[in-house]
Parts: sequence; C-alpha cells; structure tokens
Amino acid sequence: TQLLEQSPQFLSIQEGENLTVYCNSSSVFSSLQWYRQEPGEGPVLLVTVVTGGEVKKLKRLTFQFGDARKDSSLHITAAQPGDTGLYLCAGAGGFKTIFGAGTRLFVKA
Amino acid sequence: GAVVSQHPSRVICKSGTSVKIECRSLDFQATTMFWYRQFPKQSLMLMATSNEGSKATYEQGVEKDKFLINHASLTLSTLTVTSAHPEDSSFYICSARRVGQSLAGSYNEQFFGPGTRLTVL
Repeated sequence: TQLLEQSPQFLSIQEGENLTVYCNSSSVFSSLQWYRQEPGEGPVLLVTVVTGGEVKKLKRLTFQFGDARKDSSLHITAAQPGDTGLYLCAGAGGFKTIFGAGTRLFVKA
Repeated sequence: GAVVSQHPSRVICKSGTSVKIECRSLDFQATTMFWYRQFPKQSLMLMATSNEGSKATYEQGVEKDKFLINHASLTLSTLTVTSAHPEDSSFYICSARRVGQSLAGSYNEQFFGPGTRLTVL
C-alpha cells in the first residue's frame, strides 16, 4: 500500500514566523501537488513539481521535490494570517494519486 | 488555469430522497474524475473514480448502489446519493484529472471543485 506521510498534522504559529511542512513516502511519484483548502471550499492547487530536485517559489512559499521524487517540502516565510488553512500534498504515480493526511496551519495575528 | 465547477454548493433534503451533484470541467476535457467525501477537520476520502463512457470504480466500503456515478461526457460527472439518510450528511468534493507534459514525460494533476455540503434531515 502506498503511503504519503505528511507532518506536522497541526501547526499554530505567530504572524511573521517561518514554517516547513513535509511529505514523505517510500514510493516514487511522477509528480507531486500541493493544495491549500479553506473551510467549506474545495482544495486549490498551489503547485505541481515533476523533476527530482526541483524547487518552485510562489511569493513567500517555496516548494521542493526530493531528488528521488519520494518526498517534498513546503516552506512558508513570514507567515501571515491569510496563510491559515489546510495544506495537502498529493503524489501522483501511474493512475493513482495518494493524498497526505493534511497539515492544519493556524497563523495568529 | 483549470476550472472545475460543482453544483449545487449546498443542499438540504429529507431522509429517503435522492440528491444529484454535478461536477463539470469548464476549460478542459477530463476522461477521469474523482469523487471524495470529507469529514470535519479531516483529509479527503476517495469514494470512487469516474471514467468517461464506462463504469465507475468504487473504493472499498463504498456502496455503488447508494452512490451512483455517471460520467456521460468528457466534461461532466454526476454523483447521485440515493435514499439519503442523515449519516450521508457530509462535504462532497469532485476533482477532474488533467494530464500535463514536461521534459520528463507526462504527469497527472487533479483540479477540485468547490464542494457540495449535503445535509440530510
């Protein structure tokens, strides 16, 4: 069974702090997506990484795909209350997509 | 970007009635769509994979006769919750799969609809 372990599950930080969310697996993925979901809405795709070692930046968010394409990280610099939400990673391999359990981030003003 | 719509966004029905939820990919064709259920403060639970022109593939524990899926076109999948009961109350989300291309080859992405909040009284 493929698993995608996401950590931490919950994170509560002050505005301005930095944080990193991790997704790890023993499986190799052809691509990995990161989503953000707010209450009562569907997940919104933030980024797709496809190449081992790839780094993508989206304003204060930095996404990295591991060299072996088994793991990924999301780093947020100077978090803001607007970053609050559920962050999901999803690894795609073949036909199946595996979702992490999610990281619930709360940024306090 | 890729846009997926879902309708209705919210529905309240009486126990025993059936409810149909539509999922549409607005700017791309999707041979494969997915239906998820999400409980409060939890991640997504895949219910079934909807394949255009063929039968849906249901995950273990999901009753196919209760959750009817039809994928009649490349842009539309529907989920019908038959004889709904209060325990079926939940947040239902669909997604559509799009195949992207990179130098490393093709890869899959899922784009989600905004979700449907179902409340069964």
